Amino acid sequence: DTGVSQDPRHKITKRGQNVTFRCDPISEHNRLYWYRQTLGQGPEFLTYFQNEAQLEKSRLLSDRFSAERPKGSFSTLEIQRTEQGDSAMYLCASSLAGLYGYTFGSGTRLTVV
Amino acid sequence: KQEVTQIPAALSVPEGENLVLNCSFTDSAIYNLQWFRQDPGKGLTSLLLIQSSQREQTSGRLNASLDKSSGRSTLYIAASQPGDSATYLCAVGWMNTDKLIFGTGTRLQVFP
Repeated sequence: DTGVSQDPRHKITKRGQNVTFRCDPISEHNRLYWYRQTLGQGPEFLTYFQNEAQLEKSRLLSDRFSAERPKGSFSTLEIQRTEQGDSAMYLCASSLAGLYGYTFGSGTRLTVV
Repeated sequence: KQEVTQIPAALSVPEGENLVLNCSFTDSAIYNLQWFRQDPGKGLTSLLLIQSSQREQTSGRLNASLDKSSGRSTLYIAASQPGDSATYLCAVGWMNTDKLIFGTGTRLQVFP
């Protein structure tokens, strides 16, 4: 197992366009998390899944954001009608029900121009 | 409100020095606490995980301690090296939530 994988590593998009990011967690982990990190700040929680169920969403996750985890495997995070304020690093993490800590991916850096 | 604070925000030390990074948190009912390292523009690398029942964890030159009653954790780095230069993040998981809450990090620079 190579850890948590995120794709793409970088994305530059024009304001108003839609973008989608993918996260492949560690295969035996049942929990998957999305975080957002802006420059100089710690990661902020967006949402998490236990298996295929989305159990919690932050109020940071506006209605332009949607996340899915079909079949409890990989997850996608879509941002519709991107805004410059969406520019950030989007981090994915997985865990085994919170035991043994979290493993993070390398992140997707989004730049909205 | 559950919050995590890290002090100092930045630290610059000469190579070879021992140093301590501090993390404080509100609400002592934690599940666990995890220290991460983040290099510029990169993801997070887990350094140490301390469960709520533990007082400390060690890995190589790193030692993390946990004092739940005072709401504090420290990360001790022995004999610092230039390769230790990075941002160090503290993250806390509480009993009543299934997510980690992060501090804003300590940016460490170790110069030769």
